[in-house]
Amino acid sequence: AQKVTQAQTEISVVEKEDVTLDCVYETRDTTYYLFWYKQPPSGELVFLIRRNSFDEQNEISGRYSWNFQKSTSSFNFTITASQVVDSAVYFCALSEAGQAGTALIFGKGTTLSVSS
Amino acid sequence: EAQVTQNPRYLITVTGKKLTVTCSQNMNHEYMSWYRQDPGLGLRQIYYSMNVEVTDKGDVPEGYKVSRKEKRNFPLILESPSPNQTSLYFCASSFGGVEQFFGPGTRLTVL
Repeated sequence: AQKVTQAQTEISVVEKEDVTLDCVYETRDTTYYLFWYKQPPSGELVFLIRRNSFDEQNEISGRYSWNFQKSTSSFNFTITASQVVDSAVYFCALSEAGQAGTALIFGKGTTLSVSS
Repeated sequence: EAQVTQNPRYLITVTGKKLTVTCSQNMNHEYMSWYRQDPGLGLRQIYYSMNVEVTDKGDVPEGYKVSRKEKRNFPLILESPSPNQTSLYFCASSFGGVEQFFGPGTRLTVL
């Protein structure tokens, strides 16, 4: 069965610190997609990244970077030089391709608090 | 602008009073779904629809109904709401069921 585990429930850092949010997933499919979403205090879900199972290249977007390792079934998210505006709940999610009605399977989220 | 809209955004109601949360998308997506978000549980899928007149249960369908009479609309119906349905609800749509575009959320409180 599919499962996404975000072991860190809450993380608190001070501005300018780097922080890594962990995500471990389980799936039997060879083709799947992994996502990260940000949920700021206002409540909406903001899409950050999608990665498919055939692309293990790490990705960097500004202060954000993602490390995808199939060998450890992990898709970790690092924020470099964190800012107060990064304070939010972050969700990792998994989608198995090729199945009708495939839901996004979400982790329980990691609440990141960045203080000034 | 491509978007998913939900109404209402906030709703306080009482047990047993039927309500409908509307969801509409303007991207001509075939796939639509509803999720609920609860503290410590993340988001869980309630119902989904692969196309007009095609709907199916997700992980937590009890107490909910949906309909898909038009491609753009996918309302969520609570025939007899109960306090355990107090939650934050998200509608989502996608082309092909992979990348999902989420609406802004509806915060429902059932007293």
